[in-house]
Amino acid sequence: DVKVTQSSRYLVKRTGEKVFLECVQDMDHENMFWYRQDPGLGLRLIYFSYDVKMKEKGDIPEGYSVSREKKERFSLILESASTNQTSMYLCASRPRDRAYRSGNTIYFGEGSWLTVV
Amino acid sequence: KNEVEQSPQNLTAQEGEFITINCSYSVGISALHWLQQHPGGGIVSLFMLSSGKKKHGRLIATINIQEKHSSLHITASHPRDSAVYICAVRRGATNKLIFGTGTLLAVQP
Repeated sequence: DVKVTQSSRYLVKRTGEKVFLECVQDMDHENMFWYRQDPGLGLRLIYFSYDVKMKEKGDIPEGYSVSREKKERFSLILESASTNQTSMYLCASRPRDRAYRSGNTIYFGEGSWLTVV
Repeated sequence: KNEVEQSPQNLTAQEGEFITINCSYSVGISALHWLQQHPGGGIVSLFMLSSGKKKHGRLIATINIQEKHSSLHITASHPRDSAVYICAVRRGATNKLIFGTGTLLAVQP
């Protein structure tokens, strides 16, 4: 079974702190994603990466950066946490499209609940 | 208007009932996902569809590309089916998914 593991389930950080959220997948997937989920807004894409050292901005990248130094690991960084970044963060991974795959399905981690005080 | 709309937003059913959750979208897509999210956060992919119908156990998903509509059916519903069900569409060859805001299902014993 594919496993996407997020390093922290619950974090409480102070305003201005630098925060790292780590995500590791064990199925050699090329694509990895960071989303945040807020009530009434659904999942919104922050950043994604389609290969090592490659990254692209999603819909709400402001205040965030990412790092993908190894294929299995995708890190989300909050350079200076603010209270409006209190949210649930979800990491996901998906294989690259090939000519045909029985499922290019997407796999999610368990989520990281971040509270910034 | 959201590009992906789900209905209903909330649904309460009695155990054993047949349940239908609907998803309509307004963009051209290459695939549609149905996802399940239990309390606590983790999301599981139930189905990925690009045409027709798929079945897995008590779950059935259908898609009508011409009408830009998909349905998720749960037969013989059970309290353990209580969760948020999320529809997400993938536009063309992009890596991005567009998500609906979810349907909160509560199945009462």
